[in-house]
Amino acid sequence: GENVEQHPSTLSVQEGDSAVIKCTYSDSASNYFPWYKQELGKRPQLIIDIRSNVGEKKDQRIAVTLNKTAKHFSLHITETQPEDSAVYFCAAKGGGADGLTFGKGTHLIIQP
Amino acid sequence: DAGVIQSPRHEVTEMGQEVTLRCKPISGHNSLFWYRQTMMRGLELLIYFNNNVPIDDSGMPEDRFSAKMPNASFSTLKIQPSEPRDSAVYFCASTLIGNLPLEQYFGPGTRLTVT
Repeated sequence: GENVEQHPSTLSVQEGDSAVIKCTYSDSASNYFPWYKQELGKRPQLIIDIRSNVGEKKDQRIAVTLNKTAKHFSLHITETQPEDSAVYFCAAKGGGADGLTFGKGTHLIIQP
Repeated sequence: DAGVIQSPRHEVTEMGQEVTLRCKPISGHNSLFWYRQTMMRGLELLIYFNNNVPIDDSGMPEDRFSAKMPNASFSTLKIQPSEPRDSAVYFCASTLIGNLPLEQYFGPGTRLTVT
């Protein structure tokens, strides 16, 4: 089955700086890569996603890049703000399945 | 739309007791997923249904766990008997499966504590 690795587990950045979170996946047939944000005690919520036919997608301060050859994808947050502090999860949907395989999460801390 | 609804939000039970978690997916969605979240193992897919039919239950940890979806608007996850290591947050999610993968919407979760 699919295996997703996520790094780093904790990331601390100064407010206004950029943050980058990286994930790798194992199933070359995977075709959908969402990123979820989870605040303490809350449900995971989708912030951006990318399909395998696209190399990059941007939504305001958030962007995701996908390298299918290397089987890795990354989340980029620019001009970080205090409300960006949360745990971020990457995920991958295998080619033959509908369920998501999640990375272990990155705790993003925005320092004032 | 009320989103995905789960009940109860919190459950505290003693080891050996039966626990039933409930989920109502978003109306019109045809797929439902049960995930478990713990500090040690993160978010894990337990089982999912397409059009009320279980498709993949390979994530169900053992025979003590069972799930049903009797109709398009209701699903249950049952643990019998429960054990302390089952303590976790259990999320239900739903989506509309079609030609392209779409967002999975998560419910608020049920925090289960087994003492």
